[in-house]
Amino acid sequence: TQLLEQSPQFLSIQEGENLTVYCNSSSVFSSLQWYRQEPGEGPVLLVTVVTGGEVKKLKRLTFQFGDARKDSSLHITAAQPGDTGLYLCRTGFQKLVFGTGTRLLVSP
Amino acid sequence: DAGVIQSPRHEVTEMGQEVTLRCKPISGHNSLFWYRQTMMRGLELLIYFNNNVPIDDSGMPEDRFSAKMPNASFSTLKIQPSEPRDSAVYFCASSQTGIRTGELFFGEGSRLTVL
Repeated sequence: TQLLEQSPQFLSIQEGENLTVYCNSSSVFSSLQWYRQEPGEGPVLLVTVVTGGEVKKLKRLTFQFGDARKDSSLHITAAQPGDTGLYLCRTGFQKLVFGTGTRLLVSP
Repeated sequence: DAGVIQSPRHEVTEMGQEVTLRCKPISGHNSLFWYRQTMMRGLELLIYFNNNVPIDDSGMPEDRFSAKMPNASFSTLKIQPSEPRDSAVYFCASSQTGIRTGELFFGEGSRLTVL
């Protein structure tokens, strides 16, 4: 049973579009991290959220932690080709698992 | 600054052969993780060490897999005998702070192909 479900699995958009990806679980998280992985490389941390309702911004990326700390979202404004990659959420709960991932392709 | 260093980057071997993957964590980091990534199963935690001691190896698929961390600067993941279903990218990651909230720093991975 996958602890963290991410949606959508795949997303292909044009440059300049906005998008939101989600990370959901039936369990409460003590903390949650978002990583981005580019082809041929390991994941790189984007942000850590620890407080229910917390919102963090990283340039065009906005991260939100659900009030109940069971879900999180990542919103990208005006996506660029450089945003292409696999987006992964990770929790420290139980087995320190990563989510199923959202593969994003942004075309020029 | 040197990041997490993994070797080899690519390994092609035949079924039944022994495979050893190596990892050098970032100096000063006290936690080390081995992950396996496939398209079907995503990124799976195999085992993690804290201060060179294995804390949880329940993700290790079976007895064919073993991992060691003889000192703070080196870890190995061994598969013996290897099988085609072991084909995947194996990542090593290290962390400096608490296991639950610390940032993971990943190596570039070792791509294993078992024929």
